[in-house]
Amino acid sequence: SAVISQKPSRDICQRGTSLTIQCQVDSQVTMMFWYRQQPGQSLTLIATANQGSEATYESGFVIDKFPISRPNLTFSTLTVSNMSPEDSSIYLCSVAARGGTEAFFGQGTRLTVV
Amino acid sequence: QKEVEQDPGPLSVPEGAIVSLNCTYSNSAFQYFMWYRQYSRKGPELLMYTYSSGNKEDGRFTAQVDKSSKYISLFIRDSQPSDSATYLCAMGPGGGADGLTFGKGTHLIIQP
Repeated sequence: SAVISQKPSRDICQRGTSLTIQCQVDSQVTMMFWYRQQPGQSLTLIATANQGSEATYESGFVIDKFPISRPNLTFSTLTVSNMSPEDSSIYLCSVAARGGTEAFFGQGTRLTVV
Repeated sequence: QKEVEQDPGPLSVPEGAIVSLNCTYSNSAFQYFMWYRQYSRKGPELLMYTYSSGNKEDGRFTAQVDKSSKYISLFIRDSQPSDSATYLCAMGPGGGADGLTFGKGTHLIIQP
């Protein structure tokens, strides 16, 4: 399985600020994904990040709020912009491996907005 | 109706019992079905994945998919206190490469 490292593991941020989360994979992968896990809710897909193209966002998520970069096949960032307390959540990076059938996750970034 | 329904629990069973965890879904396009285990303050860990209908066994774990009923199950035999975690079902039309739809997760407690 792929080894996925996320930074930071947790952060407490002031409302109105932005936080950039980094995701590093130990092997080259085509598909990287960003999910959100809110308390008591399902993991929800935010966007798919492909190297060399714009990220594809799911319904309810927009680029201005969650800009994503994918500069190469092992790295991606997710920025949570102009944060409000409703953005308090765990943000998870995921990659598809083994022919794209299996999905692996990083440890997550626990974000608290105050 | 949510696409994937999963009872959040908690489900508490004695050590050594057989555990049955279940999810129902509504999207007929789902072909890949996965089970993840998530310990507190950790990321989800892939336990098993199954393509289409049928059973798959891996050690103490058995995954079952019944596409006609849109119902999937995970069985844990000889449950151990270390199995205490939240179990997430996930599914999608193309597996991990298409992004997954998750259930809310079932919080499982194995009592020593």
